[in-house]
Order: sequence, then structure tokens, then C-alpha cells
Amino acid sequence: GAGVSQTPSNKVTEKGKYVELRCDPISGHTALYWYRQSLGQGPEFLIYFQGTGAADDSGLPNDRFFAVRPEGSVSTLKIQRTERGDSAVYLCASSLTGGPTGELFFGEGSRLTVL
Amino acid sequence: ILNVEQSPQSLHVQEGDSTNFTCSFPSSNFYALHWYRWETAKSPEALFVMTLNGDEKKKGRISATLNTKEGYSYLYIKGSQPEDSATYLCAFGEGNTDKLIFGTGTRLQVFP
Repeated sequence: GAGVSQTPSNKVTEKGKYVELRCDPISGHTALYWYRQSLGQGPEFLIYFQGTGAADDSGLPNDRFFAVRPEGSVSTLKIQRTERGDSAVYLCASSLTGGPTGELFFGEGSRLTVL
Repeated sequence: ILNVEQSPQSLHVQEGDSTNFTCSFPSSNFYALHWYRWETAKSPEALFVMTLNGDEKKKGRISATLNTKEGYSYLYIKGSQPEDSATYLCAFGEGNTDKLIFGTGTRLQVFP
């Protein structure tokens, strides 16, 4: 189907390594979100794109985390010098227009495990 | 820090039982309340987006109500079926931001 696609679905890495997670949103959706879900928690907001620009990156936990969306479609979340605390499911969602009333369409998530 | 709370954390019911759970959110600067269903090994899927105080929405056996003045929403499932087993997440949208704040979810298991 033409849903939100995330790759990889699973990633195991060692502490200190660099990781990239990719999100391919629904075609035509201008808004794209990254959330992170740690064990026992709800999804935690990381960053929101409207088109190519990061409209709100207030949820990125520190400067090891960075995300891009260069052509307003595919987005990549980049994590440098990974730490064990970064282990989580990283969810991407897209929305037709964005905003607090915009329904989110999620991918299946990328499960990151940092050993 | 905005707090969105859901209760109960988990729920086990028999097939055919009706059930309901609660989402509490800040009553100030409300803009929207979302409900999502997240089945294991699948992606979260939207159930409802609610914006008006007193709103009631229904989709099949599932319905939701909204009280923005007191800051809560209820989700009801009538005649639960095993395929309703999932985690149900609510998310609060404020007026001056585009992000949604999620609760920790209610995990529902329906036994045949």
C-alpha cells in the first residue's frame, strides 16, 4: 500500500556508533513527525517538519540527534555517538496538513537497540 | 510540562464485555484530542480526532466523548472482541503548537 514506510525495522548497534533511520511518508503529506517510544512510556515528540524545514525541533534530547527532510518528502533521523539510553522504538508519522487537528499516519517504527 | 494521563494502564476482559478507559489532559489552551489504536507489530492507527467540548464520535463498536472544560475523554468499546486487543493511546494538541503530547496508553487484552 501507500502508507508510511520506515527502515530499518530493527537496528542493533554498539554504544558510540552512528545510526540513520529513514522515513518515507505518504505522498502529498506536507507534515512529518518523529516520535520516540521507550519501554513503558507513551510516544515522545522529537521533531516536526512542515515541508523541508524543521518547524519544531524542541523534542530532540541533545545535539547528538539531528533530522533532515531535504526535498520535503523522505526524512532521515541521525543519531551520533549512540548511548544505551537511546534504545527505543522510533516512530515516524505524516499528516496531510499538520497542526494539532491533523490526523497522524504512522509507520511501523524502527526499533533501535544500543548494546 | 504538559501531562496526559491514561487509566487504567492495562485491562483484561472477556469477549463480549463492554469496557471504557480514560484520558486526562490539561484543560487550558485545548485544541484537539486524538485517540489511536496500536496493535502489536503494526503501526498506530487513528480512531478519532475531537475538537469540540461535548463532542461524541463513533466508529462501529467504539465511541469516544470529550469534556474540554474538565480535561478528560472517555473511550468506550461495546461487546469487546479479541481483535480489539491493542494499546489505546490518546494525544493532546495545544493551540499554539503543532506537536501532540501522548499518554502512556491503556493496554487492552480481550480473551475469547
